[in-house]
Amino acid sequence: GENVEQHPSTLSVQEGDSAVIKCTYSDSASNYFPWYKQELGKRPQLIIDIRSNVGEKKDQRIAVTLNKTAKHFSLHITETQPEDSAVYFCAATLDNYGQNFVFGPGTRLSVLP
Amino acid sequence: DVKVTQSSRYLVKRTGEKVFLECVQDMDHENMFWYRQDPGLGLRLIYFSYDVKMKEKGDIPEGYSVSREKKERFSLILESASTNQTSMYLCASSTTGTGGTGELFFGEGSRLTVL
Repeated sequence: GENVEQHPSTLSVQEGDSAVIKCTYSDSASNYFPWYKQELGKRPQLIIDIRSNVGEKKDQRIAVTLNKTAKHFSLHITETQPEDSAVYFCAATLDNYGQNFVFGPGTRLSVLP
Repeated sequence: DVKVTQSSRYLVKRTGEKVFLECVQDMDHENMFWYRQDPGLGLRLIYFSYDVKMKEKGDIPEGYSVSREKKERFSLILESASTNQTSMYLCASSTTGTGGTGELFFGEGSRLTVL
């Protein structure tokens, strides 16, 4: 089955700096890669996603890149702010119907003022 | 706005007790999921359901069962709770029907402690 690894497990950056979180997946058939953000004590929420027919996607300060050949995808956050502090989970799914996601173990991002 | 509601935020049970965790969603989503969240392990899928009375095993179904008698409600059952089932349980729903993207909408979570 699919296996998703995520690095680093913790990341501290100064406010205003950039943060990058990387994930690798094992099954080349995976075709949809979402990122979820979970603030302390709150539910995970989707922040950005990318499908296998696209190499990069941006939404304001966040972007995701996908390298299908290397089977990895990354989350980039620019101009980090304290409210970006959270746990970020990447996921992959083989399923066009999005029914069976495999999540990475998560990255705890701390943005220091 | 999608709302996924889990019946209990915190539960404390004893080893061997039967535990019911209930989840209700109000957006007519066909897919519902139960995940378990443990530090350093991410979110692991226990069971999911893509229709009423249908269920599929996820990655860690052992020790759990589920019930989906109505489209809006998905229950997770621990027949005989054990201490290694102490965890945060997250319910989620999604739709891949017309206009649906497969985005998971999560509940607030149920933190279960088994003594």
